[in-house]
Amino acid sequence: DADVTQTPRNRITKTGKRIMLECSQTKGHDRMYWYRQDPGLGLRLIYYSFDVKDINKGEISDGYSVSRQAQAKFSLSLESAIPNQTALYFCATSDSLSNGYTFGSGTRLTVV
Amino acid sequence: AQSVAQPEDQVNVAEGNPLTVKCTYSVSGNPYLFWYVQYPNRGLQFLLKYITGDNLVKGSYGFEAEFNKSQTSFHLKKPSALVSDSALYFCAVRDVGNTGFQKLVFGTGTRLLVSP
Repeated sequence: DADVTQTPRNRITKTGKRIMLECSQTKGHDRMYWYRQDPGLGLRLIYYSFDVKDINKGEISDGYSVSRQAQAKFSLSLESAIPNQTALYFCATSDSLSNGYTFGSGTRLTVV
Repeated sequence: AQSVAQPEDQVNVAEGNPLTVKCTYSVSGNPYLFWYVQYPNRGLQFLLKYITGDNLVKGSYGFEAEFNKSQTSFHLKKPSALVSDSALYFCAVRDVGNTGFQKLVFGTGTRLLVSP
């Protein structure tokens, strides 16, 4: 099993729909992150969490919300999806930045 | 805020030739620098990092990177490219926010294409 698991792997949804992307990890890491990847823009941080009581906005949090249900689970929600949220979404975990991140395989989201 | 720049969208190299993927950084203080690779339909995989110590860092799959403080660069290199090295490469730097929370800031990525 993967250390960081993202579900679903692919999703097509309609404008205005609510959608949740899920991330779970077996690394035992406290820190979890959600990034989106767009061509030519690299990875941009949406939200991050130090532990279940600590949630922080990243640089592009508008239109998104998150929930840290447990140390191992960190979900990203789009309350009302719009086409410019079409992107590849990555969850990452870390115990210490000196060790970098462990990434999930990503969720490819298309909003039509 | 800390940042990294990857000036090349794509690098083309023939198999067997040396390759370089460029990264420059802008940080206050001592940088933590990373390289990640992304193969098609996969997540990002860690290649190597520079935290402190020797300026030449060796990583996975035969890659290495040289930390150059005077040029604020951290270029990724490999002496002999393989077709299987074709992928998207990201440079990243640690950023410490006002609250002390640490996160990685990524460059825009460089696509490496190795031709047979």
